[in-house]
Amino acid sequence: QQQVKQSPQSLIVQKGGISIINCAYENTAFDYFPWYQQFPGKGPALLIAIRPDVSEKKEGRFTISFNKSAKQFSLHIMDSQPGDSATYFCAAQFRGAGSYQLTFGKGTKLSVIP
Amino acid sequence: DTGVSQDPRHKITKRGQNVTFRCDPISEHNRLYWYRQTLGQGPEFLTYFQNEAQLEKSRLLSDRFSAERPKGSFSTLEIQRTEQGDSAMYLCASSLRAPKHTEAFFGQGTRLTVV
Repeated sequence: QQQVKQSPQSLIVQKGGISIINCAYENTAFDYFPWYQQFPGKGPALLIAIRPDVSEKKEGRFTISFNKSAKQFSLHIMDSQPGDSATYFCAAQFRGAGSYQLTFGKGTKLSVIP
Repeated sequence: DTGVSQDPRHKITKRGQNVTFRCDPISEHNRLYWYRQTLGQGPEFLTYFQNEAQLEKSRLLSDRFSAERPKGSFSTLEIQRTEQGDSAMYLCASSLRAPKHTEAFFGQGTRLTVV
């Protein structure tokens, strides 16, 4: 059972365009939703995160939109740059108790072309 | 603080051999996690330590896998009798426990290839 579904699998965007990646989750116990960026040969690095009590969070060119009723959230990368080319993972976490383990989506490979 | 360190970065082994990986977390991080990432997939949780205690294990962690964190600092992950299906990137992450909980910081991983 895949608890976090991510789409699209790959995305090609022109420089300066907007990249949009979508995720949906099933477990309503999740209460924290981070996005990770991973470059080849590197471990995932936290990009931005949101809690379900807000509908949007913006940090620089990166924005998370969150729809609690639909159990969906998305990452928007404004003014996409070639340096943004990487694999992006959405994740979900339950922070009430326990291990705080992350449940990841399958990833989106973003290519930003000049 | 140099981040989470994993060693080795790459390991090629023959099927049936045992392998051991090491993870050094960020100092003072009392939570340590192991994840496995196969090609084209997101990381999957394997196990978690709080200090030296292994508190949770995923069903992905078969009997051939064992993890330790003997003094609550570095951790090792051993795979016995490796199989080709064990080929993956093994990621370690660390964080601080609540209420000062921090995000999970990942190491660069150990890429295992079983031939």
